[in-house]
Amino acid sequence: AQSVSQHNHHVILSEAASLELGCNYSYGGTVNLFWYVQYPGQHLQLLLKYFSGDPLVKGIKGFEAEFIKSKFSFNLRKPSVQWSDTAEYFCAVNLNAGGTSYGKLTFGQGTILTVHP
Amino acid sequence: KAGVTQTPRYLIKTRGQQVTLSCSPISGHRSVSWYQQTPGQGLQFLFEYFSETQRNKGNFPGRFSGRQFSNSRSEMNVSTLELGDSALYLCASSEEIAKNIQYFGAGTRLSVL
Repeated sequence: AQSVSQHNHHVILSEAASLELGCNYSYGGTVNLFWYVQYPGQHLQLLLKYFSGDPLVKGIKGFEAEFIKSKFSFNLRKPSVQWSDTAEYFCAVNLNAGGTSYGKLTFGQGTILTVHP
Repeated sequence: KAGVTQTPRYLIKTRGQQVTLSCSPISGHRSVSWYQQTPGQGLQFLFEYFSETQRNKGNFPGRFSGRQFSNSRSEMNVSTLELGDSALYLCASSEEIAKNIQYFGAGTRLSVL
């Protein structure tokens, strides 16, 4: 069965610090990878996605992620965080079967990011 | 386009009752997935519907069921509610394309007393 593991439950940073959130998945087939963010009181929003091609993907608000196939990892990065980045971040995976993705996302446990001004 | 709409936003029920939650997908989206979010278990997949057919199912008991209508709107039902069913239930919709992205609604907060 697919599983997704996020390394940190809670990360606390000061503004302007760099961020890296780890995500590893276990599945041997072809997968699609996502990072979603949930700001306080808001719904889940897509930060970035990887389907194929360049393993370094850029998302909204200055976030990027790198897919390393050999390590089954898809880590999220941001060079300089802001107070407004305080939120919960979820890594997610779904199966890419025969070129068609199915609507079953497997999520990691989530990482709460707190950024102090 | 309007986003994914879930109703109601909040529900309070007692043990043993049943509940129905509704989800209207983004216009043109034919796939609807449901997830349960709790502090202890995180986000867990319940089921997915496409063209009125259940295409995928997660590891939940049979008390959890769903359906999809011809206009792609979906409902999920939980019968014989238990305290542990208290959660945020999220609906997501997506287009049926090779590189689809799921867009989430705000969720229905269910409290079981």
